[in-house]
This record gives sequence, C-alpha cells and structure tokens, in this order.
Amino acid sequence: AQSVTQLGSHVSVSEGALVLLRCNYSSSVPPYLFWYVQYPNQGLQLLLKYTSAATLVKGINGFEAEFKKSETSFHLTKPSAHMSDAAEYFCAVTSTTGRRALTFGSGTRLQVQP
Amino acid sequence: EPEVTQTPSHQVTQMGQEVILRCVPISNHLYFYWYRQILGQKVEFLVSFYNNEISEKSEIFDDQFSVERPDGSNFTLKIRSTKLEDSAMYFCASSQDSGSSYGYTFGSGTRLTVV
Repeated sequence: AQSVTQLGSHVSVSEGALVLLRCNYSSSVPPYLFWYVQYPNQGLQLLLKYTSAATLVKGINGFEAEFKKSETSFHLTKPSAHMSDAAEYFCAVTSTTGRRALTFGSGTRLQVQP
Repeated sequence: EPEVTQTPSHQVTQMGQEVILRCVPISNHLYFYWYRQILGQKVEFLVSFYNNEISEKSEIFDDQFSVERPDGSNFTLKIRSTKLEDSAMYFCASSQDSGSSYGYTFGSGTRLTVV
C-alpha cells in the first residue's frame, strides 16, 4: 500500500522568501514521486517528477525537490516565492511495480504575501 | 504542448440521472485514467484503462460507474444513477507508459454538481 502525507494544509510566505512544502511517502516498493500544482478553477499541472534517476529533481517555474530515501521524503522547494506561485500543491506517489495509479496527498495551499 | 481535453467543464444533473463525462487523451498515450476530487478533499483514483479494458479500479468505482473508449480518440466515464455524493471535480489523465516515467497529463476537469 502507498500513502502520502503533506505536512501543513496551508503555508504562507512573503514574496521573495523561500518556499518549502513538505511531503513524506510510504511505499513498500521503490516509488515514483510527483508534485502537481493546481491553480484556481484549473486542472493539475505537473511540476516535476522523480523516477529513480537523479535524486535532486528540477521542475518548471524554478521549483525543485529532493528524494531522500532514508527520510522517505520528497519536499518541494523554491528559493524565491513569486505572487504567481499562489496555488494548491499536491504530492503524489505511484509504484514501479504493481499498482500504477497515483495516490495523492491532501494538498498544501500556498499563499504568497506581497 | 499536447493537452488532455475534457468536456463539459461544468455539468449540473438531477439525482438519479445518468451522466457521461468525456475526455480526449493525448493521441500517442496508451493508458487512461479517471480521478475525482470532492470539494475540499484530496484527489482520488477511480479507474485506469489500457488496451480497451479496465486495468485497475478503486473501491469507489462501483457498479454505478463505467468507462468506455468508443472510438480512437474519446474516453468516457458514465455514472448510471447519480447520487448527491457524486458531486465532485472529475479529472481525466493519460500517460505514455504504465510506469509513468513520463508522467501523467491531466485535463482541466469537469465539475459535476448533483442536485
């Protein structure tokens, strides 16, 4: 069975500050991990993915995430927040074998203050 | 950038009515999925479809739900007799491979409201 825990349903940062959105996963087999962003009234857009290559993954819009197997984490970071980053962010996991459907976390709403 | 297209964007239906949600996946993708997101809750997997059959489904996907790929481009989700609790945003997704090393591409969703 797989699961994802996103710590913090709401995160607020100032424009220009570091963004850190936390994601911990549970998987009995090596995982594939994803971060998706959802802007208001829009669909899910892929930010980045980890598929067992480099542990530090760079995505779109300046975001990156690091896969840490020892900590079962895949936290999302961005050095400097922009107002346009305000959205809901979802971490998701699927397995490299067996069930391939995505299991999503509960999401973190990022607010960026001017 | 190839897109997954979903229609309609909004649908309001009466309880007990049948609804069909439509999706056009990316043309060279082989795996198709439906997910749903009840307002304020997490995105949940419903069903995956490959080679004209269901490859995986969740406990949510009961006999009220069915999926079909009626032609080479459309992928549909049918709810036979809608309930109030079916109100949600329904997302279609597609991927090139089963291992998702290329990632899943999601559509913009259909907001279904059952009254």
